[in-house]
Amino acid sequence: GAGVSQSPSNKVTEKGKDVELRCDPISGHTALYWYRQSLGQGLEFLIYFQGNSAPDKSGLPSDRFSAERTGGSVSTLTIQRTQQEDSAVYLCASSLKRGYNEQFFGPGTRLTVL
Amino acid sequence: GIQVEQSPPDLILQEGANSTLRCNFSDSVNNLQWFHQNPWGQLINLFYIPSGTKQNGRLSATTVATERYSLLYISSSQTTDSGVYFCAGQADSWGKFQFGAGTQVVVTP
Repeated sequence: GAGVSQSPSNKVTEKGKDVELRCDPISGHTALYWYRQSLGQGLEFLIYFQGNSAPDKSGLPSDRFSAERTGGSVSTLTIQRTQQEDSAVYLCASSLKRGYNEQFFGPGTRLTVL
Repeated sequence: GIQVEQSPPDLILQEGANSTLRCNFSDSVNNLQWFHQNPWGQLINLFYIPSGTKQNGRLSATTVATERYSLLYISSSQTTDSGVYFCAGQADSWGKFQFGAGTQVVVTP
């Protein structure tokens, strides 16, 4: 595909359940970013991958949040024991390479925790 | 990390009007982007502009890296320009981008 894709587009879950959100970056893009956007707010950085490693995890809000990237491509963001405050849109972006870092965003996953 | 301040927070324009949005950074940035978030939530790339001036149709942007600010100009605004405009800066040659809180633009017919 030509752009960043994310799945699912919407996820409704019950408090306490685990969820997995998926991101497929643009082919060949080495950097991948996860952000979170609460209703009416700006974007909050979560984690950055360069290849399969995550040199910056500083934005993960708690140890319930984790992410991995395999094969330098697909990434999964996992939220364990979801809480109502986790409800937000989770956005993924990718960029080509270090030194040329124009980000391109996917459509996001809207997570609702009941 | 760097702080990003956008102004104004809200802007109401009559169709055809011109406007300027501003983005200030607390420290120097290596990379800077402007985005438009449409009513469906999709972030559309407007400019990748670490320095200098770029133009794309009715939109243009200028970044003065030494003074730590960037400006986005919207000329002859149209209702389709409505939405939230974000700027984002990257302090290093890699790593996270820090986003501003956005400018909510409403263009009325």
